[in-house]
Amino acid sequence: KNQVEQSPQSLIILEGKNCTLQCNYTVSPFSNLRWYKQDTGRGPVSLTIMTFSENTKSNGRYTATLDADTKQSSLHITASQLSDSASYICVVSAHNNNDMRFGAGTRLTVKP
Amino acid sequence: GAGVSQSPRYKVAKRGQDVALRCDPISGHVSLFWYQQALGQGPEFLTYFQNEAQLDKSGLPSDRFFAERPEGSVSTLKIQRTQQEDSAVYLCASSHAGVGTGELFFGEGSRLTVL
Repeated sequence: KNQVEQSPQSLIILEGKNCTLQCNYTVSPFSNLRWYKQDTGRGPVSLTIMTFSENTKSNGRYTATLDADTKQSSLHITASQLSDSASYICVVSAHNNNDMRFGAGTRLTVKP
Repeated sequence: GAGVSQSPRYKVAKRGQDVALRCDPISGHVSLFWYQQALGQGPEFLTYFQNEAQLDKSGLPSDRFFAERPEGSVSTLKIQRTQQEDSAVYLCASSHAGVGTGELFFGEGSRLTVL
């Protein structure tokens, strides 16, 4: 069973709208959580990395939140642009572990 | 180079052929990872190197998969006697820091199609 679950699996929104992607995890002991953006046919690119003590972190129009108690994270995208169309992948690392657990990703499509 | 470079970008192999995928990490990066990404899925861990040492190969799906990084820089992922289920994108990533902490930089991937 995957230890990182993302929802929704796919999402379609209109340009200019906001959206929120969810990530639930069971990885333990928790070290950090990352959000990546992966354009079709490209490698993932880091958006944010959050440690246990961080509740929120922003990167431009992207804001990630983390609740380490409930083991949930969200990625909020504000004022979406066509170029935001991509897969967004949540990755969770455990302490002293080489194995970063990747979610299956949320496929976001922004339409004009 | 400025980023992680992978080659070939696309590889078509007949079932039973051997393939070799190359990864040039960012210069000076200590950590190097290989991942396998099936269509519509997130990357799955294959193996991890710290310099030339392969510290974790628990994700390699079978003994047909072999990875090396002999001089602590370029790495090669070799797949012997390819099967159709090996068809996937193989991603390489590198980091200047130790595992789990540093920024991870990915290459564009090598898409393998086994006919």
